[in-house]
Amino acid sequence: DSGVTQTPKHLITATGQRVTLRCSPRSGDLSVYWYQQSLDQGLQFLIQYYNGEERAKGNILERFSAQQFPDLHSELNLSSLELGDSALYFCASSEGALSPTDTQYFGPGTRLTVL
Amino acid sequence: DQQVKQNSPSLSVQEGRISILNCDYTNSMFDYFLWYKKYPAEGPTFLISISSIKDKNEDGRFTVFLNKSAKHLSLHIVPSQPGDSAVYFCAAILKGASGGSYIPTFGRGTSLIVHP
Repeated sequence: DSGVTQTPKHLITATGQRVTLRCSPRSGDLSVYWYQQSLDQGLQFLIQYYNGEERAKGNILERFSAQQFPDLHSELNLSSLELGDSALYFCASSEGALSPTDTQYFGPGTRLTVL
Repeated sequence: DQQVKQNSPSLSVQEGRISILNCDYTNSMFDYFLWYKKYPAEGPTFLISISSIKDKNEDGRFTVFLNKSAKHLSLHIVPSQPGDSAVYFCAAILKGASGGSYIPTFGRGTSLIVHP
């Protein structure tokens, strides 16, 4: 158990809909990262928050947005869903954000299926 | 364009033998490399890392080798155990923080199966 929790574990929805994925980082971790893993793909970095502020942005679509709340949990909002958005979405947390040796701890992921 | 490539989608090894997982990268500015292990229905777990100033890092049964001139790294598991069966992801981090953060670029993973 990494200490990172993600809800829900599975989500099935229809095209055009909007969903919210939730992540609670490990106790004491200030950074939260979101990744997308499509079928047979590596983990694609979406966005990072550090202590409530956006710190780094990857290949995140404009239809997707995220935020980190004062209690440090984070939510990833996906809107106008398309079939291609079906993927595993991982959240990770780390203590800081300024060192490559800052280990990322991953949650179990949310599997999103868009029908 | 994949900057971190794991060209073998799968690898099958007998228990007790050596497992060698390979990873190639294209960006010479990658400075720090990591391996993650992932079991089904779980998130990736950090396994071992290596800085570009080293060519080898060892942690128990796991050793990572880095060949900067060839832009190649490998993970050796000796001896392999059935519990090592998992997907292994190679990841690389660029020198210098992007906006103050170090974000790893991941390969697509290699599925290792260790047979008893």
